[in-house]
Amino acid sequence: AQSVTQLDSHVSVSEGTPVLLRCNYSSSYSPSLFWYVQHPNKGLQLLLKYTSAATLVKGINGFEAEFKKSETSFHLTKPSAHMSDAAEYFCVVTTPPTGRRALTFGSGTRLQVQP
Amino acid sequence: KAGVTQTPRYLIKTRGQQVTLSCSPISGHRSVSWYQQTPGQGLQFLFEYFSETQRNKGNFPGRFSGRQFSNSRSEMNVSTLELGDSALYLCASSLETGADTQYFGPGTRLTVL
Repeated sequence: AQSVTQLDSHVSVSEGTPVLLRCNYSSSYSPSLFWYVQHPNKGLQLLLKYTSAATLVKGINGFEAEFKKSETSFHLTKPSAHMSDAAEYFCVVTTPPTGRRALTFGSGTRLQVQP
Repeated sequence: KAGVTQTPRYLIKTRGQQVTLSCSPISGHRSVSWYQQTPGQGLQFLFEYFSETQRNKGNFPGRFSGRQFSNSRSEMNVSTLELGDSALYLCASSLETGADTQYFGPGTRLTVL
C-alpha cells in the first residue's frame, strides 16, 4: 500500500522569504514522487518529479525537493517566495506494480504569500 | 503541443440525471486517467483507460463509468447523480499506461442540485 501525508494544511510566508512544504510518504516499493501545483479554478501543473535518479530534484519556477529515504520525506522548497506562488500544492506518490499504477495524492497544502 | 482539454468546463445537473464529461489527451498520449476532487475527500482516482480498455479502477460505485475511443479521447459518465457527486473532475493523460508523469486538464466543475 502507498500513502502520502502533507504535514501542513496551510502555510503562510512573506514575499521574498523561503518556502518549505512538508511531505512524508509510505510505500512498499521504491516510489516515484511528484509535486503538483493547483492555482484557483485551474487544473494541476507538474512542478517536479523524483524517479530514483538524483535525490535533489529541481523543478519549474525555482522549486526543488529532496528525496530522503531514511526519513521517508520529500519536502518542497523555494529560496524566495513570489506572490504568484500562492496556490495549493499536492505531494503525490505512485508505486508498482507496473501497469496498474495510480497516483495517490496528499491532502494538499495551501500556500499563502503575504506582500 | 496543445494540452489536455476537457469539456464542458462547468455543468449544473439535478439529482437523478446522468452526465457525460469529455477529455482529449495531449497528442500522442494513449493513456487517460480520471480523478474526482472534492473539499472533503481531496483528489481520488476514478479509473484509467489505455488502448480503449480500462486498465485500473479506483473505489467508486458502478454509477461511474468511462470509455476511450480509438483516437484516445475519453468520456466519463455518471448515472443517477447524487448531491455528493458535485466535484471537480480532472482528466490526466500520459504517454503509456502505468507511466509516471501525468498531465492534467483544467477540469470540469459539476454541480448537482
